Amino acid sequence: SQELEQSPQSLIVQEGKNLTINCTSSKTLYGLYWYKQKYGEGLIFLMMLQKGGEEKSHEKITAKLDEKKQQSSLHITASQPSHAGIYLCGAAPFDNYGQNFVFGPGTRLSVLP
Amino acid sequence: KAGVTQTPRYLIKTRGQQVTLSCSPISGHRSVSWYQQTPGQGLQFLFEYFSETQRNKGNFPGRFSGRQFSNSRSEMNVSTLELGDSALYLCASSLAGAGNTIYFGEGSWLTVV
Repeated sequence: SQELEQSPQSLIVQEGKNLTINCTSSKTLYGLYWYKQKYGEGLIFLMMLQKGGEEKSHEKITAKLDEKKQQSSLHITASQPSHAGIYLCGAAPFDNYGQNFVFGPGTRLSVLP
Repeated sequence: KAGVTQTPRYLIKTRGQQVTLSCSPISGHRSVSWYQQTPGQGLQFLFEYFSETQRNKGNFPGRFSGRQFSNSRSEMNVSTLELGDSALYLCASSLAGAGNTIYFGEGSWLTVV
């Protein structure tokens, strides 16, 4: 079965600093999703990547999927306290059909003002 | 457009009891899935329903069950509750078909005492 690993496990940065979170899959990714979660709340959709080499940006967050489609990175530029939370990567099933996603363990981000 | 709505948000049950959680998907979404989130196991897929039929099932015991109604609303039931069932239960919905983003509700916090 597919497994996702995330690094780092947790991250503390000063406001204004850039940071990167990585997500590595044991198998080829057919759809890679990034979500953000505030503790005890639901997941907020950030971005979806499907094609090798694909890169997407939204506000100060950029996500990339490598050419081999086994690794993705999430980069935050000029971090703000509002970026704090748990970032989760999720993988769609092999045919990208259905909702039985596998999720990584998450990266807990703290941004110090 | 209303998001995914889950009820109740918080509940406390006693070991051996059963519980039913409800989920109303985003209007037009016919696929509904359920996930369990715990500190130890992370976010794990329970099952998915599409057009009132269970399409995918995760690796959970038979005490966990669900159903979907003709209006796409879904319920999940856990019978003979155990302490280890204490978790955040998240519901997600999406449009039918491949490559669609899944959108999560705020979750239902279940505590078993």
